[in-house]
Amino acid sequence: KQEVTQIPAALSVPEGENLVLNCSFTDSAIYNLQWFRQDPGKGLTSLLLIQSSQREQTSGRLNASLDKSSGRSTLYIAASQPGDSATYLCAVRNNQGGKLIFGQGTELSVKP
Amino acid sequence: DGGITQSPKYLFRKEGQNVTLSCEQNLNHDAMYWYRQDPGQGLRLIYYSQIVNDFQKGDIAEGYSVSREKKESFPLTVTSAQKNPTAFYLCASTPGLAGGQDTGELFFGEGSRLTVL
Repeated sequence: KQEVTQIPAALSVPEGENLVLNCSFTDSAIYNLQWFRQDPGKGLTSLLLIQSSQREQTSGRLNASLDKSSGRSTLYIAASQPGDSATYLCAVRNNQGGKLIFGQGTELSVKP
Repeated sequence: DGGITQSPKYLFRKEGQNVTLSCEQNLNHDAMYWYRQDPGQGLRLIYYSQIVNDFQKGDIAEGYSVSREKKESFPLTVTSAQKNPTAFYLCASTPGLAGGQDTGELFFGEGSRLTVL
């Protein structure tokens, strides 16, 4: 059974720092992995989607990497800003058409 | 603008009442999902539908019911049989297998918060 873990549960950094959020999964036979952002009381916003054949995806200051063999993905945020404060969730899909399995998220706080 | 609309945003229910949460999408997606989010427990799948007139139970379907009569609509009914209905409910969609090429990217609505009084 696929399990997704995100550590740490919470992270606080000063503005301007580069930071890495971690996501690990137990079954390496995945179809894709998706990173989301959630602001308090809001829905999830898709940030990056990595297919199983890809090693990384980039969007602006965000870069997500995928290492299936080790069961890990990282989300790199460059030059963090207070507006990046939110909860970041990763989710794994095991096969096309299958359901997403979510981690519990990392709550990020970027202090001015 | 294309997207997923959930309503109402906030809903209060007395014990013993059924309530229905609306989810409408104009993305022309075939697959739709309902998730429940509780503090400290992450997102859990309630029901999902890959195509019109078909749906499957997720991990926590007990006390919930759905219908999928139209491609754009996937309402969720929280019945009186649901023991702990107070939660944040999220609807999502993805192009789906019936749509041909499917990247599998999931898109979410803004959520509905249900509180049982």
